[in-house]
Amino acid sequence: DTEVTQTPKHLVMGMTNKKSLKCEQHMGHRAMYWYKQKAKKPPELMFVYSYEKLSINESVPSRFSPECPNSSLLNLHLHALQPEDSALYLCASRRGEGSGANVLTFGAGSRLTVL
Amino acid sequence: ILNVEQSPQSLHVQEGDSTNFTCSFPSSNFYALHWYRWETAKSPEALFVMTLNGDEKKKGRISATLNTKEGYSYLYIKGSQPEDSATYLCALVSGGYQKVTFGTGTKLQVIP
Repeated sequence: DTEVTQTPKHLVMGMTNKKSLKCEQHMGHRAMYWYKQKAKKPPELMFVYSYEKLSINESVPSRFSPECPNSSLLNLHLHALQPEDSALYLCASRRGEGSGANVLTFGAGSRLTVL
Repeated sequence: ILNVEQSPQSLHVQEGDSTNFTCSFPSSNFYALHWYRWETAKSPEALFVMTLNGDEKKKGRISATLNTKEGYSYLYIKGSQPEDSATYLCALVSGGYQKVTFGTGTKLQVIP
């Protein structure tokens, strides 16, 4: 299995809703990433989990709450979002060894719209 | 904030033309540089990983070079085909190998 699966593909939520995005991989990768991508911009790093521990938080607002319950699963919990948070949220995984040579494997993304 | 810049931002070429793009990055704290291709409605896919100054990588008609001392990488496409149309992203690996920061991207359209 060489895939990263993201659900849902599309999500529409109001500013008072609580929802979650889910990401799953079964490649044995030990590093997992959340990126946010707005139209005509490159993916912007949000969080990195390494061996199920949060290792990088790029000063993301607390209305985004990541969770890594096990080595195969990564969630992004959403609460009290703003319309400007509407974007494509990409999950990626990577082998966890200490090497810059390991590439990211991406999921297809979750398109979020905040009304 | 790491500035990883790519140029040009977009490019239209005729089928059969050769083309190249640039990725510029801060050369301090360098671990590796990745190149990815991102086709519309698909996920980004890795093309190359480059780690050493002077690295040259090739896959079919696409090749890349790396200069870590001056902080740039070039991606070349020889004899562009319509299926090469995509956004090409470079990504700098830094910060203890975990941080992967994407460049601004070059959107290529190959006209048949």
